[in-house]
Amino acid sequence: DTGVSQDPRHKITKRGQNVTFRCDPISEHNRLYWYRQTLGQGPEFLTYFQNEAQLEKSRLLSDRFSAERPKGSFSTLEIQRTEQGDSAMYLCASRPQGPNTEAFFGQGTRLTVV
Amino acid sequence: GENVEQHPSTLSVQEGDSAVIKCTYSDSASNYFPWYKQELGKRPQLIIDIRSNVGEKKDQRIAVTLNKTAKHFSLHITETQPEDSAVYFCAASKSNGGSQGNLIFGKGTKLSVKP
Repeated sequence: DTGVSQDPRHKITKRGQNVTFRCDPISEHNRLYWYRQTLGQGPEFLTYFQNEAQLEKSRLLSDRFSAERPKGSFSTLEIQRTEQGDSAMYLCASRPQGPNTEAFFGQGTRLTVV
Repeated sequence: GENVEQHPSTLSVQEGDSAVIKCTYSDSASNYFPWYKQELGKRPQLIIDIRSNVGEKKDQRIAVTLNKTAKHFSLHITETQPEDSAVYFCAASKSNGGSQGNLIFGKGTKLSVKP
C-alpha cells in the first residue's frame, strides 16, 4: 500500500492516560498535516509539518498535544492526560511540494476516552 | 490565519436535481481551493480543485466556481445520483506568505440524494 497509513486504527484509553498515534505519509511527500474530526464535522486543523519542521500549530490546541516528525518522514501525535473531549477521529494527510497539490488522507485513528 | 465557512451544513435533494454548496474564505492570499468528498466510514478524497487564476472548472457532473473579489467559491453537482450522498468539504490554501502550504477546511455539508 503506497498511500498514507495510520496506526493504530482504533484506540480505547482511560481518562488520564497518554496515547501516541503514528502516521506514515506517502514517501515523496514533504508536507504532513494532522487533523481532528468529530462526527459529521470537517477536519479541524491541529498541526502542519514541512519536512521535519513544525510550521504551524493550531491556537486551539492545548499543551497536552504534541507532534513530531524527527526525520521528515513518519510523524507521531501524542496526547497526554487524555480527557473525554479528546474522543474523535485523528486524521493524517500528506501532500507533495508545490503550490497547488492534492492532499491525501490516511484512514484515521479513532480515539475513544472512557 | 485562514478561516473557511461552508453552507449549508445539510442539503437534501431529489435524484436528478442540482446541488450547490458554498464556501467563503478570509485570507485574500489563498490561491488553491480543493473540494473533498467523504463517504461514511471512509477517508476524505479529492473530487475537484480550482486555482485562483481561473474562475470556473468542470469535470463531468461536477463544477466549481471561484469569485476572488468576494472571496467565495462554490461546488455545483448536476443530475445528482444516490451515490453522490456523502459529506463534502471545501478547503483553502496559499503558496506564499505566512501559513504557506497550510490547508484549512470548512465544517462540511452532508448531502442526501433521495431516489
